Amino acid sequence: EAGVAQSPRYKIIEKRQSVAFWCNPISGHATLYWYQQILGQGPKLLIQFQNNGVVDDSQLPKDRFSAERLKGVDSTLKIQPAKLEDSAVYLCASSLVRPPATDTQYFGPGTRLTVL
Amino acid sequence: QQQVKQSPQSLIVQKGGISIINCAYENTAFDYFPWYQQFPGKGPALLIAIRPDVSEKKEGRFTISFNKSAKQFSLHIMDSQPGDSATYFCAARTSGSRLTFGEGTQLTVNP
Repeated sequence: EAGVAQSPRYKIIEKRQSVAFWCNPISGHATLYWYQQILGQGPKLLIQFQNNGVVDDSQLPKDRFSAERLKGVDSTLKIQPAKLEDSAVYLCASSLVRPPATDTQYFGPGTRLTVL
Repeated sequence: QQQVKQSPQSLIVQKGGISIINCAYENTAFDYFPWYQQFPGKGPALLIAIRPDVSEKKEGRFTISFNKSAKQFSLHIMDSQPGDSATYFCAARTSGSRLTFGEGTQLTVNP
């Protein structure tokens, strides 16, 4: 079974530029998550989708971050404009079912973003 | 109240030794406590998880001990191996809520 795919793996941009990340979840997984992992910290949830609807985006900085999952499969996360503090690894995860069912989240390898 | 505090930040253990990582929480509504293992350049992977209705869960060399009254839980890695060298995250969640992760523990197992 193929895992969660993410691209690009690395991205370096100047502050105030825009950037987009792509995620393809495990086939058949209805729930998709985007996390931000700052160096030396645990992942922090940015947004959670159930199929193509948003379930939780309470920790998404909506003035600069946006995400979509148009057909309930692939998802993109965009930052516009980027700030220095956005430097982090952006992780995508997927799970078969939605909480509160205790379903395992499978993580992709992440995209390491450096903002200069 | 949503925080999960994890210690130590880093841990060095000799091969064959026992690695112990501790986590503490405040929110008594948390009802699911997973541990994740993360290797450099990879995403976290679920290692083992426990619910608060049991005090211990063991899977191979990995054991979670859970103390509901103290609001603490810990990961024990028996017979630690160099291949166990990774960053370990505890996490917690209430029904329907997001996972809250600890800060992580970087484990190094020396051969």
